[in-house]
Amino acid sequence: DGGITQSPKYLFRKEGQNVTLSCEQNLNHDAMYWYRQDPGQGLRLIYYSQIVNDFQKGDIAEGYSVSREKKESFPLTVTSAQKNPTAFYLCASTRAWGNTEAFFGQGTRLTVV
Amino acid sequence: SQQGEEDPQALSIQEGENATMNCSYKTSINNLQWYRQNSGRGLVHLILIRSNEREKHSGRLRVTLDTSKKSSSLLITASRAADTASYFCATQSRTGGGNKLTFGTGTQLKVEL
Repeated sequence: DGGITQSPKYLFRKEGQNVTLSCEQNLNHDAMYWYRQDPGQGLRLIYYSQIVNDFQKGDIAEGYSVSREKKESFPLTVTSAQKNPTAFYLCASTRAWGNTEAFFGQGTRLTVV
Repeated sequence: SQQGEEDPQALSIQEGENATMNCSYKTSINNLQWYRQNSGRGLVHLILIRSNEREKHSGRLRVTLDTSKKSSSLLITASRAADTASYFCATQSRTGGGNKLTFGTGTQLKVEL
């Protein structure tokens, strides 16, 4: 089955630690996105990538980093510089061009302990 | 900042009634999309309307788009308890490197029996 997979589903981080969230897709999509969702809120764009080895900052990139070494994978690292990382993180993918819907993973809930 | 603002933030109706949600956005777009999110899950695509379209239907869903007012509405007819979820509009716009997908703040819909 084609789809987009995020792991882990739940993640706990200690203060001062970096953590990496995984996002893999087998839809042959060029574009991938990371969003942050806080309770009762909308989705805010962290980073997005239209092509391998290239990515752009979204609206709230500070304290986060990404890489896009393979078309299928777009991992997100939440660094210790992110002061309030507890949130629900969603990864999505689309075709790079044209009118195209997004496919979402099931999300990773990150909690700082 | 978020592209879309949705209204109302929350909506409670009885089963069988119609539900209308509105979305306003700020910049020029290629298309506007509506998504549904069940609590704690990823988003699911519902419908896409292109910037040169004014109305689109899919089952019990009707979407309108007014690019002159930079607004859209989603109508769910004959609502069911299973329609209870959060609904988000998203705008897709062309950047230098491809498509960028930006979400609104969402409407929480509760359909009561």
